[in-house]
Amino acid sequence: SAVISQKPSRDICQRGTSLTIQCQVDSQVTMMFWYRQQPGQSLTLIATANQGSEATYESGFVIDKFPISRPNLTFSTLTVSNMSPEDSSIYLCSTPLVGRETQYFGPGTRLLVL
Amino acid sequence: DAKTTQPPSMDCAEGRAANLPCNHSTISGNEYVYWYRQIHSQGPQYIIHGLKNNETNEMASLIITEDRKSSTLILPHATLRDTAVYYCIVRPNYGQNFVFGPGTRLSVLP
Repeated sequence: SAVISQKPSRDICQRGTSLTIQCQVDSQVTMMFWYRQQPGQSLTLIATANQGSEATYESGFVIDKFPISRPNLTFSTLTVSNMSPEDSSIYLCSTPLVGRETQYFGPGTRLLVL
Repeated sequence: DAKTTQPPSMDCAEGRAANLPCNHSTISGNEYVYWYRQIHSQGPQYIIHGLKNNETNEMASLIITEDRKSSTLILPHATLRDTAVYYCIVRPNYGQNFVFGPGTRLSVLP
C-alpha cells in the first residue's frame, strides 16, 4: 500500500491567517484529491489536484479560499486562506495508485481556528 | 450525493460477526462497491471492494446480492479495535473520487 504523509498533523491557528498543508506520496501518482471533514461529519471533496494543470474544484469551494499546488507527481499542497472558525476541520489528501483499484488516504491534518 | 444508504449505527459483541448492510439500488453496471472505515481521528482505511462476485480478504468478506442492489460487509470476529465508522461507496473503477455518505458507526462492545 502507498505511504501518504501529511504535514502538519495538527495546528491551531488564529482567524485571518493562512495555513498550507503538505501531502507527500511515496510513489508517483496521476491524481491527488483533497477532502475536508468537518466535526462530526463525513468527508467532502474539495478539489482534484492535477499535475501540470490547475486544480478542479467542487461546488462550494473556490481557488481563492483553497489554493492548491501540484509541482510534481508525488507532492501537493492545500492552503486554507483567511481562516475563520468555520474552517476548523480535518483535511485529508488521497490518491488512487497507478494501476490499482483502490484509493488511499493520508492521516489527515486536524485544524482548529480560534 | 452519496448513492448508498446505511444504518447510522450498529452494535456488535466482541468476538461475534459484524454484518454491516448497504443499499445501492441505483448502482450502474460499471460501478464497484467499496468499503472503507475510519477509526477516530485517522484517515479512512480501505477494507474491500467488489463488482458482482463475493470477495474475501484478510480483513473482511463482501457479499453482493445477485441484483447488485445491496451488499453486506462481514467482519467475522469483531474486536474492540474494529470500532469505527464504516463507509459503503459505489463508483466506477479507478480515476474518480469517492463520494462519502454518513456511514455506519459500529461499536464493538466487550
